[in-house]
Amino acid sequence: DAGVTQSPTHLIKTRGQQVTLRCSPISGHKSVSWYQQVLGQGPQFIFQYYEKEERGRGNFPDRFSARQFPNYSSELNVNALLLGDSALYLCASSQGGGGNTIYFGEGSWLTVV
Amino acid sequence: AQSVTQLGSHVSVSEGALVLLRCNYSSSVPPYLFWYVQYPNQGLQLLLKYTSAATLVKGINGFEAEFKKSETSFHLTKPSAHMRDAAEYFCAVSITGTASKLTFGTGTRLQVTL
Repeated sequence: DAGVTQSPTHLIKTRGQQVTLRCSPISGHKSVSWYQQVLGQGPQFIFQYYEKEERGRGNFPDRFSARQFPNYSSELNVNALLLGDSALYLCASSQGGGGNTIYFGEGSWLTVV
Repeated sequence: AQSVTQLGSHVSVSEGALVLLRCNYSSSVPPYLFWYVQYPNQGLQLLLKYTSAATLVKGINGFEAEFKKSETSFHLTKPSAHMRDAAEYFCAVSITGTASKLTFGTGTRLQVTL
């Protein structure tokens, strides 16, 4: 079975632009979460979606938004990009519920110039 | 709110030596605890997880961790380091009701020398 897949793997954007990152969870997983990992730091929780509903939001500005589709795939959108948004964006999927194993994708490297 | 503290941002061991990576957690309710490994330019791979079934948890690649409630610790160990173990290691915590929200530590970079 395929793992968590993310696209694109690398992208470069200019300050002020908008970006959309995509994620396909492991088959059968209904929960998708997004994390931001700035170089040299641990991942920071951005959003969690379960059954197409937002179940959690981290301490990120409203420029960050996400959604989950009926097939459980997900998109993360970031508007009005800042240099500080440069990071590895990780998508994770699980069956939902505390204690379930959370699987991560390879991530999307975003560079804002 | 839950949190994780990883002591030591860099740890260096000789090949064949014991690996010990330290993690202390803070949680007002019984936690779930995880160790993930990240190789350069890659995503996170789960090494092991604690979900209250057993305090000593065995994971992949010869790693194990012991949950000690009295010390609020979940240290990661491996009896004999191998060159391929060189990577970044993250300890993470989640709690019941927050589903997939993981709170990560700042990471420990493991260097293995000949």
